[in-house]
Order: sequence, then structure tokens, then C-alpha cells
Amino acid sequence: QKEVEQNSGPLSVPEGAIASLNCTYSDRGSQSFFWYRQYSGKSPELIMFIYSNGDKEDGRFTAQLNKASQYVSLLIRDSQPSDSATYLCAASGNTPLVFGKGTRLSVIA
Amino acid sequence: DAGITQSPRYKITETGRQVTLMCHQTWSHSYMFWYRQDLGHGLRLIYYSAAADITDKGEVPDGYVVSRSKTENFPLTLESATRSQTSVYFCASSESTFGRADGYTFGSGTRLTVV
Repeated sequence: QKEVEQNSGPLSVPEGAIASLNCTYSDRGSQSFFWYRQYSGKSPELIMFIYSNGDKEDGRFTAQLNKASQYVSLLIRDSQPSDSATYLCAASGNTPLVFGKGTRLSVIA
Repeated sequence: DAGITQSPRYKITETGRQVTLMCHQTWSHSYMFWYRQDLGHGLRLIYYSAAADITDKGEVPDGYVVSRSKTENFPLTLESATRSQTSVYFCASSESTFGRADGYTFGSGTRLTVV
């Protein structure tokens, strides 16, 4: 059973701080990793993807991948109240995306 | 309208009834997927399709039927609805199973309640 594990949270951070979201995956054959953001009552939207070990930055978001440790993370710099949402980690090898249960992030103004 | 649309947005049905959830995409994406989302379980794959007339089971296929006669449509049918199928159903599409650079794009979802 391929699994993606996330801490359900909630993770609370003050406005302007760095939010750190973590994810581990069980399938060593996973090649592609995604972070989705989901607001309450809405559908998931893709915010980052990463395929290679190391860091990938896009604006205030940085995705980090460590395949040896089977670990993916998402850093959100200068967190804003509008970042308050559930963040879903997903992994894929030669099969459709497997999603974690999500981490709920609350940014306190 | 371009994109991926699901209908209906909300549905209440009785136990034992047949229900069909519709999904339509305008990008001509090869791959389409059905996920259900439940508290405590996250998103779980029900069925997916790599092309017209090609479908495959996901993690939780029991009680569901899919078809894909046209690339743009991927309906999901609950043959005899049960209360355990009360959930939010999301359809998604992609150019590939891996999602690669474009990931999956999700529809707005259908909230189904079985009473």
C-alpha cells in the first residue's frame, strides 16, 4: 500500500513567519511530488511540484525533496492570513497521484 | 467554458438509488480521475482512465462504475447508493498519470449525501 503521511495539524503560525509543512512517502519508486492547497469547501489547487533532490523556489514557496529520507517539505515565507488552508502532499511513480490527508495551516494576524 | 466541470454540485439521494456524477473537460487531456474526499481519509482514488474506453480501478472502486466513451467525459455511477458513499467527489484531469509539470487539475467537486 503506497502511503503519503502528513501531520494533520492544525499548524498555527503568526503573520509574517515561516510555515513549515512536512510529508513522508512510503514508495521508493515515487518520482514526482506535488503540493496542493485546498481552501475550505473548495477543490485542491496545485501550488508546487518537485522532481529532483534539493530545493525549488517559487515566490514565497519553497519545496524541498530528500529521496534518501523519503521526505518532502513545503516552506511558506512571510505567511499571510490568506495562506490559511489545508495543504495536501501528493506523490506519484508509475501510478496516479497518492495524496496525504493534509495539514491544516492557520496564519494568525 | 474552458476547464473541467462537474455536475451536480450538490446531490441528496436515497439508499439503493442509482446516481451518476458527471465530469467534463475541455482540454483534451488524456487522463481523467475520480477521487473521493472524506474526513480522516483524505483524497482516495476511485477510478481513472488513460484514454477513451480505457479505465482502471483505484484504491476504493467497490460500488462504483465508470465509462469513458468520449475523451472529454468521464461519468461516475453509484449503482446502488449506500450511506458510506456520502462524500465529496472530485474529478481531475491531466496529460499524464504522473501529472508532471501540470499536475492534476480538479473540478469543483460534487457533495453527495446518501440518506
